[in-house]
Amino acid sequence: ETGVTQTPRHLVMGMTNKKSLKCEQHLGHNAMYWYKQSAKKPLELMFVYSLEERVENNSVPSRFSPECPNSSHLFLHLHTLQPEDSALYLCASSQDPAGGWELFFGEGSRLTVL
Amino acid sequence: GIQVEQSPPDLILQEGANSTLRCNFSDSVNNLQWFHQNPWGQLINLFYIPSGTKQNGRLSATTVATERYSLLYISSSQTTDSGVYFCAVEQVWNSGYALNFGKGTSLLVTP
Repeated sequence: ETGVTQTPRHLVMGMTNKKSLKCEQHLGHNAMYWYKQSAKKPLELMFVYSLEERVENNSVPSRFSPECPNSSHLFLHLHTLQPEDSALYLCASSQDPAGGWELFFGEGSRLTVL
Repeated sequence: GIQVEQSPPDLILQEGANSTLRCNFSDSVNNLQWFHQNPWGQLINLFYIPSGTKQNGRLSATTVATERYSLLYISSSQTTDSGVYFCAVEQVWNSGYALNFGKGTSLLVTP
């Protein structure tokens, strides 16, 4: 098994749909992240969960809703998205920082909003 | 937050050539990583290197923390080295930690 797996790898949805992205890590880490990568833009941090506690980025629109039921799973629930939300959504995990930590990424979920 | 600047933004090399990618950051950091993003979008860890020098095959990296920069060296480049190279540094974010990414260096290695 790869360290961090994301599903689905590709998703096409309409603006009125509700969908979810799933991420699972098999590395024994206790922090998980969602990043967004739009065309021609740097990676943007969306959400961090550390020890299953959410650290919220207030600049993320409410149409994105994260969920972390346990330290191995992370979801991103999507509803009433806009075409400009089309992007590559990357999940990552790490050991909770306490002197040296590395971030490991999944393969990404490429989202297209029509 | 900590600013991360990478240079050059784009680079074209012929197979076999060497190159140096640079990452400047605006404050002291406890974590710095280099990643390679392949054409399918996956980010692959290259180095965790908040200070010092590391080598892994044809790649090596050096971070001079006191001068706030890091360098990634690619020797004898191959077409499979093509992709985008990102430098990322630790940023304390609300009550957690995350990595803040530069804009990347897009590398194309031609046969």
